[in-house]
Amino acid sequence: AQSVTQPDIHITVSEGASLELRCNYSYGATPYLFWYVQSPGQGLQLLLKYFSGDTLVQGIKGFEAEFKRSQSSFNLRKPSVHWSDAAEYFCAVGPSGSARQLTFGSGTQLTVLP
Amino acid sequence: DAEITQSPRHKITETGRQVTLACHQTWNHNNMFWYRQDLGHGLRLIHYSYGVHDTNKGEVSDGYSVSRSNTEDLPLTLESAASSQTSVYFCASTQGGSTEAFFGQGTRLTVV
Repeated sequence: AQSVTQPDIHITVSEGASLELRCNYSYGATPYLFWYVQSPGQGLQLLLKYFSGDTLVQGIKGFEAEFKRSQSSFNLRKPSVHWSDAAEYFCAVGPSGSARQLTFGSGTQLTVLP
Repeated sequence: DAEITQSPRHKITETGRQVTLACHQTWNHNNMFWYRQDLGHGLRLIHYSYGVHDTNKGEVSDGYSVSRSNTEDLPLTLESAASSQTSVYFCASTQGGSTEAFFGQGTRLTVV
């Protein structure tokens, strides 16, 4: 069975600082990985996705993520955080290159200090 | 613009009552999903559908049912609401093997 672990429940960073959110997955085949962001009171929005090819993927809002097969990780990064990035971030894994059935991590809540 | 909408956004109900949460999408997507979001658990799949008259159980389907009579709608029914079903419910849709799932804004359900 597939699973996703986000070890950090809550992260606080100062505006302008760099950010890394961790994600580890367990999946029997080649994983298809996603990062979603949820702003307060909103649904989830796709930030980026990885299916194959270049292990460093770029997403919206200046985010990127790196797939490391040897570490079973798909960490999300941003060089300089903005106050508007405060939200909850979810890592997810899905089968067969689609978003048909996603397994989500428990989420990381990001607080940005002025 | 195409969208996915959930109603109501907030609901309080009593234990034992039947409750139906609506989900309507205007993208004409084949695939629709219901998730519940609980602190410490992220989103967990309740039921999903790959087309009209198709429904499937997800990870946490006990106490829930869905029906798909048309492409646009996938209502979620709680047959007899329990306090353990107090949660935020999200509906999502995708087209075929699309890589992006579109989510509604959620329904916060409280069972008292």
